[in-house]
Amino acid sequence: DIQMTQSPSTLSAAIGDRVTITCRASQSISNWLAWYQQKPGKAPKLLIYKASTLESGVPSRFSGSGSGTEFTLTISSLQPDDFATYYCQQYTNFFSVTFGGGTKVEI
Amino acid sequence: QVQLVQSGAEVKKPGSSVKVSCQASGDTFSKYAVNWLRQTPGQGPEWMGNIIPMYGTPNLAQKFQGRVMFTADESTSTVYMEMTNLKSEDTAVYYCARERTVGTGAIFLYWGQGTLVTVSS
Repeated sequence: DIQMTQSPSTLSAAIGDRVTITCRASQSISNWLAWYQQKPGKAPKLLIYKASTLESGVPSRFSGSGSGTEFTLTISSLQPDDFATYYCQQYTNFFSVTFGGGTKVEI
Repeated sequence: QVQLVQSGAEVKKPGSSVKVSCQASGDTFSKYAVNWLRQTPGQGPEWMGNIIPMYGTPNLAQKFQGRVMFTADESTSTVYMEMTNLKSEDTAVYYCARERTVGTGAIFLYWGQGTLVTVSS
C-alpha cells in the first residue's frame, strides 16, 4: 500500500495567517491527490482534487500544489470557519486508496 | 442535489455481524461507484472498497476480503455493507461516499452522515 504522511500533525495559527500543510507519498502518485476538511462529528468535505483543482464552491483562499511524492495545501488567510482537521488522500486507482493521518488546525 | 443517508448506530457483540445501509437520492444511482470507508477517533479514514450498483461486483481492499460484503438494491437506490465476525477493533464510524463523477476515480464528493458501529461484550 502507498503510505501518506502529513506534517505537522497539529498546527496552531491565528485568523489571517497563511497556513501550509505538507503531504508526502511513499512512492510517486503523479497528481492523483485530494484534500479534505473535516469538522468534529461530520463527514469529510472535498476541497481539492487532482492535486490543485479546487472543488466548486470551495473558497479561493484554499489552494493545492505538488506532484510525484510531495504535495502542499495552503490556506492564504485563515478564517474562523477553517479551524478543522485536514486530510490528504491518494487515489492512484480504485484498488489503492489511502489517507494521511491528518493535520489539526487550531487556534 | 445528491444525498446519501445511512442507517443508525449499532451496538454489536464480538463475533456477530452488522449490516449498514446507504440510500442515495438526487441523481442516477446505478452508474456511480459507492465506496465504504471507516474512521476511528484521531485517525484518517480507511478505505474498505466499493461497488458500482449497475454491475453489482464489489471491489474490496485486501484487508477486508472474506469478512465484508457490499450489495446494492437498485429498486431502492440503496447500497449495503455487511461485516461478519466483528472484533472490538472494528469499532468505528462507517461512511458511504460516492465518487465525484463517473470514471474520475476515488474522489469522494458526496458522503453519508456516518454510522457508529460499536463492538463490545
